[in-house]
Amino acid sequence: NAGVTQTPKFQVLKTGQSMTLQCAQDMNHNSMYWYRQDPGMGLRLIYYSASEGTTDKGEVPNGYNVSRLNKREFSLRLESAAPSQTSVYFCASSERPSGNTIYFGEGSWLTVV
Amino acid sequence: KQEVTQIPAALSVPEGENLVLNCSFTDSAIYNLQWFRQDPGKGLTSLLLIQSSQREQTSGRLNASLDKSSGRSTLYIAASQPGDSATYLCAVRNRDDKIIFGKGTRLHILP
Repeated sequence: NAGVTQTPKFQVLKTGQSMTLQCAQDMNHNSMYWYRQDPGMGLRLIYYSASEGTTDKGEVPNGYNVSRLNKREFSLRLESAAPSQTSVYFCASSERPSGNTIYFGEGSWLTVV
Repeated sequence: KQEVTQIPAALSVPEGENLVLNCSFTDSAIYNLQWFRQDPGKGLTSLLLIQSSQREQTSGRLNASLDKSSGRSTLYIAASQPGDSATYLCAVRNRDDKIIFGKGTRLHILP
């Protein structure tokens, strides 16, 4: 069972470079999420997608864009990376009705220098 | 705007003791609340999920309670073990389907 798969697992970027974090789930879930985790901050929601073609801002959306092109995949793009975006990024998915649990990927470690 | 607070931020207890971790949330209109465990450098492991209509859930030595009207949840760990050392995170699922996390409690069980 693959579950939620994120790529890449590790990435180092220079300030100003762009990159896309990929996320795919094979559980046929409608809801997908992108979070970032910084030391002592828990997980903060960046963007959320309720279904294919729909996205909504979370707690910390500035500096990020997302794309939900199909039900399986939800990508997170950094257009011009900044050192403040150094973090661990987690993708997650969940089924509706909304009483169901949420499943997480293993995380992507991003460093912006 | 939903805000989730976890107290304490860190906790150290001797092995064998029972302990309680606290989670509070500001908007009681939630679908469910979930407790996770996270080991250093690792992903999240789901421990317990409590639906908004439920009062508690149990799994082994873990018991989670939910008082939705007061915006509180507790995670009770019985007979703590060194292997319980980890960060414990609480997350609430809002009516808009967004899932908001607290900052976590770092638990250290002393052998």
